Amino acid sequence: DGGITQSPKYLFRKEGQNVTLSCEQNLNHDAMYWYRQDPGQGLRLIYYSQIVNDFQKGDIAEGYSVSREKKESFPLTVTSAQKNPTAFYLCASSPRREFTGNTIYFGEGSWLTVV
Amino acid sequence: GDSVTQMEGPVTLSEEAFLTINCTYTATGYPSLFWYVQYPGEGLQLLLKATKADDKGSNKGFEATYRKETTSFHLEKGSVQVSDSAVYFCALRGGANSKLTFGKGITLSVRP
Repeated sequence: DGGITQSPKYLFRKEGQNVTLSCEQNLNHDAMYWYRQDPGQGLRLIYYSQIVNDFQKGDIAEGYSVSREKKESFPLTVTSAQKNPTAFYLCASSPRREFTGNTIYFGEGSWLTVV
Repeated sequence: GDSVTQMEGPVTLSEEAFLTINCTYTATGYPSLFWYVQYPGEGLQLLLKATKADDKGSNKGFEATYRKETTSFHLEKGSVQVSDSAVYFCALRGGANSKLTFGKGITLSVRP
């Protein structure tokens, strides 16, 4: 079945460590996104990529990094510089951006907790 | 910049009650508008969308009409069920980078 797979579902990190969240899609979508969700704040965009080997910062990129070496993969690294990383992280993808009505599809999310 | 404002929550209703969740937006140009639903512990699922003024999106008994004159996209359902209990997000997509801009979401609880 086509879809977006995020792993791991739950992740615990010690302070000072970097962690990488995986996101893979088999929908043949060009665009991919990472959002962060905190209670009462909705979803905020971290990074997005419209094409392989290209990505842009979103609204809250500080302390995060990404790569887009393959069309189907868009991993997110939460670095030790991210001051408050405990959150629910959602990966998403969509066809190319020219038509704003194209739906953005979401994965099941990854819970990151700093201990 | 683009923004979405949703009514404050949470909302608690009895089964079969009528539901309205308000959503207004600010955007330049002609954005597309979306409602997403999130069930506990899961990602977001598209509920419905509208891509131009006066369009009505509908799915699973939910409806929303794109009102450009009032910059609104209110979600309605005539008779809610317990299974509709979830968090509902209004969102818009427009502009040069076409990212989704979300409202803060509202939690709906439906009592049997």
